[in-house]
Amino acid sequence: SQQGEEDPQALSIQEGENATMNCSYKTSINNLQWYRQNSGRGLVHLILIRSNEREKHSGRLRVTLDTSKKSSSLLITASRAADTASYFCATPRKGGADGLTFGKGTHLIIQP
Amino acid sequence: KAGVTQTPRYLIKTRGQQVTLSCSPISGHRSVSWYQQTPGQGLQFLFEYFSETQRNKGNFPGRFSGRQFSNSRSEMNVSTLELGDSALYLCASSDLQGGTEAFFGQGTRLTVV
Repeated sequence: SQQGEEDPQALSIQEGENATMNCSYKTSINNLQWYRQNSGRGLVHLILIRSNEREKHSGRLRVTLDTSKKSSSLLITASRAADTASYFCATPRKGGADGLTFGKGTHLIIQP
Repeated sequence: KAGVTQTPRYLIKTRGQQVTLSCSPISGHRSVSWYQQTPGQGLQFLFEYFSETQRNKGNFPGRFSGRQFSNSRSEMNVSTLELGDSALYLCASSDLQGGTEAFFGQGTRLTVV
């Protein structure tokens, strides 16, 4: 079963705009990760946020984590055509180790 | 540092056959996980190996198996292939036992006809 559920399932915006994706999860976690996948290829790790962190930045990416609501958001600022991809949140299985559980992903399309 | 290498990239098999996929992790990484990705079910965890031991297995039938060698390379095997096994199979490695940043290979696209 899916641990994380991304929202929205698909998002289309104009280049230069900001894109926000949300992820909800069900069980307690010690970290949450975001990955990007381009057109059926391998996943690329974007950012990891630990349960004791509320916000983390990496370049144009900003991730927030609200453990009380069991939710996270990924914000991509000043979007570019190259950001077109599917974005997944992932949480550790069994609360801490041994592989990841992924949500169904948000498909982001950046219109030039 | 070389990334995670999966071979082959593409594979076409017939129902009933078996298949073996290979994954070479990043040098020094001892944890290897396998995932199946389909349009309907998304990314599903298959199993995770750490230092040649399977530490966790997802909810897949016994036709799906794997192993890890002493050099951390891993293989997964699917026997008695079914049409529904058509998927992108992804391997990921990490330097600790799961739950941390995972580095993915490009995947093996398996088509069962």
